[in-house]
Amino acid sequence: GAGVSQTPSNKVTEKGKYVELRCDPISGHTALYWYRQSLGQGPEFLIYFQGTGAADDSGLPNDRFFAVRPEGSVSTLKIQRTERGDSAVYLCASSLIPGNEQFFGPGTRLTVL
Amino acid sequence: SQQGEEDPQALSIQEGENATMNCSYKTSINNLQWYRQNSGRGLVHLILIRSNEREKHSGRLRVTLDTSKKSSSLLITASRAADTASYFCGAGNMLTFGGGTRLMVKP
Repeated sequence: GAGVSQTPSNKVTEKGKYVELRCDPISGHTALYWYRQSLGQGPEFLIYFQGTGAADDSGLPNDRFFAVRPEGSVSTLKIQRTERGDSAVYLCASSLIPGNEQFFGPGTRLTVL
Repeated sequence: SQQGEEDPQALSIQEGENATMNCSYKTSINNLQWYRQNSGRGLVHLILIRSNEREKHSGRLRVTLDTSKKSSSLLITASRAADTASYFCGAGNMLTFGGGTRLMVKP
């Protein structure tokens, strides 16, 4: 599998619960991006990693959202105290270096009941 | 605020016709990327065009970029039913997208 992979593909949770979404970027890609997409809208930028560090987290909507990439490869997006408004498809993308083509994974569809 | 805005929001054409979609953005960028999306899941990368390029081709796709007008266009020639999808432009490094153009190609 040479593409970006994301797990789980679907996640249903209850309001107030904690969730973790995982992204495996393309091997060797140094830049990793998280987006979320609501129905009928374009993806919305959340956070961008260059290596292990968050280079830009200006898109995170509030402090319930957090992401890590401890070894510069796999990344986990963490959402605390989920709200119904967090329901969306969470997309991950990676690029070889910043400014190159970004390749997207299939997304995780999060539903908060 | 969203940087890339696609126009039109929806486009319906017959197979074999050309489809043109436009994108406008607000601030200076180093590159712009076009994507296709089916069924609301992952985006498929089509073309990246850099700020020092004016036109780029890939198969039946032609992308232009006008940095003075902060706009880009995607032309799909000889469209096929399989081209039916939503198309998005993403501007800048942390891609900012508009609402997309929903293209329907009728067989």
